Amino acid sequence: EAQVTQNPRYLITVTGKKLTVTCSQNMNHEYMSWYRQDPGLGLRQIYYSMNVEVTDKGDVPEGYKVSRKEKRNFPLILESPSPNQTSLYFCASSVGPKGYTEAFFGQGTRLTVV
Amino acid sequence: GQQVMQIPQYQHVQEGEDFTTYCNSSTTLSNIQWYKQRPGGHPVFLIQLVKSGEVKKQKRLTFQFGEAKKNSSLHITATQTTDVGTYFCAGRFTGGGNKLTFGTGTQLKVEL
Repeated sequence: EAQVTQNPRYLITVTGKKLTVTCSQNMNHEYMSWYRQDPGLGLRQIYYSMNVEVTDKGDVPEGYKVSRKEKRNFPLILESPSPNQTSLYFCASSVGPKGYTEAFFGQGTRLTVV
Repeated sequence: GQQVMQIPQYQHVQEGEDFTTYCNSSTTLSNIQWYKQRPGGHPVFLIQLVKSGEVKKQKRLTFQFGEAKKNSSLHITATQTTDVGTYFCAGRFTGGGNKLTFGTGTQLKVEL
């Protein structure tokens, strides 16, 4: 089954404690991205990757890092989480930068930073 | 930065009534997509529009892309409780590659 898998689904952490949210897709997609969803603000792109070892900032990258060492995985790293990073996070993948295709979303990770 | 505005933010209807959500961009879009997010769920792709003036239908859902490729709408005829959720438009700007810029979403509630 084609899918994007995120882990964990829920996470409560304390300010400053480094964490990683994993994202994996099994569709051999080149393009992957991370979004955060906040009430009234829709989905805002944090980082994206057009292929292995190619990543770039989205609209709200501050406080986040990503890596793309393998095509299927695109982890989101919060080196020193702060309460304003409390949000619902989604990973998404699509075929490639020149293929205007649909984005497949993971189930989401609800992060609370206290 | 380039933005996609979406209205209304909320819509509460009686079952059987129609519903419309609108998206507007200040600059030309190369294409626009629509997604539905059920409560507690993740966004799921509905459709993509590419051509100026394009109209596509999926059962009770009608999607339109404006002639200038700066606006789009989603119309649901005779809403049902299964239509509950948040509807997002997501546009790609000319020269923006594969980046999707999402609208703020319209949350639809359907009352029996």
